[in-house]
Amino acid sequence: QQPVQSPQAVILREGEDAVINCSSSKALYSVHWYRQKHGEAPVFLMILLKGGEQKGHDKISASFNEKKQQSSLYLTASQLSYSGTYFCGTDRTGEYGGSQGNLIFGKGTKLSVKP
Amino acid sequence: DTEVTQTPKHLVMGMTNKKSLKCEQHMGHRAMYWYKQKAKKPPELMFVYSYEKLSINESVPSRFSPECPNSSLLNLHLHALQPEDSALYLCASSQGVWNSPLHFGNGTRLTVT
Repeated sequence: QQPVQSPQAVILREGEDAVINCSSSKALYSVHWYRQKHGEAPVFLMILLKGGEQKGHDKISASFNEKKQQSSLYLTASQLSYSGTYFCGTDRTGEYGGSQGNLIFGKGTKLSVKP
Repeated sequence: DTEVTQTPKHLVMGMTNKKSLKCEQHMGHRAMYWYKQKAKKPPELMFVYSYEKLSINESVPSRFSPECPNSSLLNLHLHALQPEDSALYLCASSQGVWNSPLHFGNGTRLTVT
C-alpha cells in the first residue's frame, strides 16, 4: 500500500525542469508532498485533494489524477535550493475523511541540482 | 526554523538505559505524532495523539512508550532498546483535521550501543 515514487533519483542543472511521480494501487483521495534536505526535518509543500486539482507554490506545482491514482510534482526552472529528497504521502486508510495524519510515505526521490 | 522543538538533538544510550525524547509545539495543534526514520528511508509512523489521547499505535514494541502530558508536549520514553532501534526520531504536529499538513521537528538522532 506504500505509494510508488519515480524516479528514485534525478540530477539537474540549475534552470532545468523535473517531474516526480507518485502512484498508488489503492484509490487516492489526497496526496501530500514534502521535501527533506539532508540532516533536516521534512517540510510540507502542498496537499492535493480528490478532484484533479492543481496547486502551485513558487515554481513548484503539482497535479492529482484520481482516475490514474497518481500525483505528479513539477519543478520548473530548478534552483540550487530545490535539492533534497521529495516524499509523497497518502492516507493509510485510503478513505475520504479517514484518520488524520496516518500517512504512509513513498520511498522518496532524491533531487540534486548542480550549478 | 521549525516550530516543533525536539530535545535532545543527539542521544547515545546503552541497551539497559532508560531515556526520554521530548517534543514541544506552540501552534495550538491538537494532534501530535512520532515517526521513525532510518537512513535513506521515508519516515514511518509510530504513534498518533489526538486531543491528548493515543489514537494510533502502529504495532510499536513496548520498549517505546509515548506520553502526551498536555496538548503542547509529547514524550517518547525508551527502555531496553536494541541496536536496530538506532534511527532519527521525528516529532510532528498538525491541526488534527483531515488532511491538515504535518509540521515536523528536526528530530533526535538516537544511537543504541
